[in-house]
Amino acid sequence: GQQLNQSPQSMFIQEGEDVSMNCTSSSIFNTWLWYKQDPGEGPVLLIALYKAGELTSNGRLTAQFGITRKDSFLNISASIPSDVGIYFCAGTFNFGNEKLTFGTGTRLTIIP
Amino acid sequence: DTGVSQNPRHKITKRGQNVTFRCDPISEHNRLYWYRQTLGQGPEFLTYFQNEAQLEKSRLLSDRFSAERPKGSFSTLEIQRTEQGDSAMYLCASSLYGTGEEKLFFGSGTQLSVL
Repeated sequence: GQQLNQSPQSMFIQEGEDVSMNCTSSSIFNTWLWYKQDPGEGPVLLIALYKAGELTSNGRLTAQFGITRKDSFLNISASIPSDVGIYFCAGTFNFGNEKLTFGTGTRLTIIP
Repeated sequence: DTGVSQNPRHKITKRGQNVTFRCDPISEHNRLYWYRQTLGQGPEFLTYFQNEAQLEKSRLLSDRFSAERPKGSFSTLEIQRTEQGDSAMYLCASSLYGTGEEKLFFGSGTQLSVL
């Protein structure tokens, strides 16, 4: 099935560093969602974006809905050990239809 | 709000056997989704319900797969004559449709291993 392009695929950072990742699509989306997934668990919703240009924060996390509607960005400031995991972007074109298309994921590892 | 609940968490079966998974959505949510996730990939849409009506099925959902939501509350996903390629994490999600800003909340998944 179709998937979004998400980069980077993996990141190795030290605790306290800031993190940036992005997601691009070949088609326009009207909703972007960012999830975090731990091994053996389901994805946990972090941030939801509904308008082009929207910038939304959730604690140390900030996400933006790209103006072109074909991309989205997630930033994590001052990373801590519990930020380790896989981050997925997901988007949908149809308002009110959450048949989401997911990115390929960014695996975040914190180096001691 | 106890979240989306899925059972069992893990299922090991032999090829050719039938398996059934259950999902209990967040109580007030009217939409329920099934996704499948293989190792190293993001989840892929399988099917979804609005109340008891199954509104869409992905081409990924072969004839061996069937999903039901008989009373518009919990849902079951059955796989008949399992194949090794069916091994994956099966995720259920629910949402409250009609708010204009819907969000999907996922359960912890059922990890299926077909031997």
